[in-house]
Amino acid sequence: SAVISQKPSRDICQRGTSLTIQCQVDSQVTMMFWYRQQPGQSLTLIATANQGSEATYESGFVIDKFPISRPNLTFSTLTVSNMSPEDSSIYLCSVAQGASYEQYFGPGTRLTVT
Amino acid sequence: EDQVTQSPEALRLQEGESSSLNCSYTVSGLRGLFWYRQDPGKGPEFLFTLYSAGEEKEKERLKATLTKKESFLHITAPKPEDSATYLCAVQAGSSSNTGKLIFGQGTTLQVKP
Repeated sequence: SAVISQKPSRDICQRGTSLTIQCQVDSQVTMMFWYRQQPGQSLTLIATANQGSEATYESGFVIDKFPISRPNLTFSTLTVSNMSPEDSSIYLCSVAQGASYEQYFGPGTRLTVT
Repeated sequence: EDQVTQSPEALRLQEGESSSLNCSYTVSGLRGLFWYRQDPGKGPEFLFTLYSAGEEKEKERLKATLTKKESFLHITAPKPEDSATYLCAVQAGSSSNTGKLIFGQGTTLQVKP
């Protein structure tokens, strides 16, 4: 399976600021995803990062709040914009070789907004 | 609405005491059911994929089975290192092109020596 890294691993940010999270894979992958895991909750898909085109967002998530980039087949970024304490979560990227294939997850980024 | 429910929420076992975790799902056209293990402070680790009713997969002390309405993760003679949260996720037919997974809330397993 692919080796996935995320930066930063954790951060504490002030309300109203933005944070960009990076996801790097050691091999080319077809699909990349971004999930949110709120405290004590399970994982919720934010969006699918599409190479060379706009990300596909799930209901309840919008591009202005969570802009995503995917410049190539091994890298993606998620920005959490204009943060509020409700954005405090673990943000995880995952990768797959196809839509119906198993997804492999990165270690996550733990974000605390004060 | 596609939904995944896991039970129990928490499970405490003595080392060697076998048990099962349940994942019930309601989904329009199941494309795949996935089991993951998540340790505190880490991302989920892939365990199994099941695609059709009657399918079974094994890995060490873990065995996953699938019916038309639920999946079980059987843990045989667990060890303390099996302590983790186990997550179940499904992919619906409507999401076969997007790859979207719908996760359950997880079962937190604690195995005492």
